[in-house]
Amino acid sequence: KAGVTQTPRYLIKTRGQQVTLSCSPISGHRSVSWYQQTPGQGLQFLFEYFSETQRNKGNFPGRFSGRQFSNSRSEMNVSTLELGDSALYLCASSSGAGLEEKLFFGSGTQLSVL
Amino acid sequence: QKEVEQDPGPLSVPEGAIVSLNCTYSNSAFQYFMWYRQYSRKGPELLMYTYSSGNKEDGRFTAQVDKSSKYISLFIRDSQPSDSATYLCAKEGNQFYFGTGTSLTVIP
Repeated sequence: KAGVTQTPRYLIKTRGQQVTLSCSPISGHRSVSWYQQTPGQGLQFLFEYFSETQRNKGNFPGRFSGRQFSNSRSEMNVSTLELGDSALYLCASSSGAGLEEKLFFGSGTQLSVL
Repeated sequence: QKEVEQDPGPLSVPEGAIVSLNCTYSNSAFQYFMWYRQYSRKGPELLMYTYSSGNKEDGRFTAQVDKSSKYISLFIRDSQPSDSATYLCAKEGNQFYFGTGTSLTVIP
């Protein structure tokens, strides 16, 4: 069974630009969550999508947005990039069934903002 | 107060040592805990999960939950250089809450 696929693996952008990251979950999984990982803050939850609807959201500004398509693939968009947005962005998929879920992560997209 | 707190280390041990990795949590609701291992430049991979007090073993790994002290631990027996990675504890809640990770190096 194929794992979670994230593209691209690396991105270099400049301040003020916008970026779109893509995630393909494990086949059959309906939930996709996005996390930002930085050395100082660890893994911080951005949002979760389930069946094309945002089910949960973390404490990030509105510049961070996402969506999920009918095939469960998800995209995350960051507009007006800031230097502090440099991080590893991780996508995790799960069945979305509820309690005691198991999250499966992709390898992430390393975003550098110059 | 963060939902999950984890000592960042780094931790460096000789091959064959017993490693103890620890986290504390603040909210007693949702008693489902996980440990993830993350190699450099990779995403976290699920190592173990548990939803009860006591110990759960899987090979050289043991996950322990102490609900009275709100403490979760991961023990690695006979540590190997291939265990060198960052270990993240996680707890289920309204979302999943992760510790900041403990960097472990096992020296041959």
